Amino acid sequence: QKEVEQDPGPLSVPEGAIVSLNCTYSNSAFQYFMWYRQYSRKGPELLMYTYSSGNKEDGRFTAQVDKSSKYISLFIRDSQPSDSATYLCAMSDNTNAGKSTFGDGTTLTVKP
Amino acid sequence: EAQVTQNPRYLITVTGKKLTVTCSQNMNHEYMSWYRQDPGLGLRQIYYSMNVEVTDKGDVPEGYKVSRKEKRNFPLILESPSPNQTSLYFCASSSGHGTGGYTFGSGTRLTVV
Repeated sequence: QKEVEQDPGPLSVPEGAIVSLNCTYSNSAFQYFMWYRQYSRKGPELLMYTYSSGNKEDGRFTAQVDKSSKYISLFIRDSQPSDSATYLCAMSDNTNAGKSTFGDGTTLTVKP
Repeated sequence: EAQVTQNPRYLITVTGKKLTVTCSQNMNHEYMSWYRQDPGLGLRQIYYSMNVEVTDKGDVPEGYKVSRKEKRNFPLILESPSPNQTSLYFCASSSGHGTGGYTFGSGTRLTVV
């Protein structure tokens, strides 16, 4: 079983919808949680970075971490066609900042 | 512009012919890393480096070598490439915990025939 499991998708929503992307993990040592967005034929770009449990908001994006359930989410409000991409969750523990474990990604399409 | 630059973008080679993919960052980051991305397998870490001359294995290091002689450069070496190393490779750099995740390069698509 993988350390990080991500809802596989693909996900297709109409423009303006609220999108929920989710990952679960098994390693209780994970303390740092990240969401990346990857457009086709591009490298991943960091979208959200959170430490430990709680919520973090940045514009239309909200990241939630529930360490007790080993569950993280990314919410996108008022989704736009430009949000169409693959979203990857990633995690690392406190002992080694260099090592990150990624989920397989969820491909999102926002239809105009 | 702050960036991670990797070259080449595309490479086709034959089995057993040694190759190097270069990676350079201009952000003075301590951490650098190589990932490969394959359909159905996601992003998997090959090697990472915490600083000059300090490297460690990721999840899939077999068949790869790295070196970190300068802070800005982190080349990936395939001494004897095989077809199962056909993949999309990404180099990335980070300043470490508390300051954000990795900044990725644009990728190198490698085909080994």
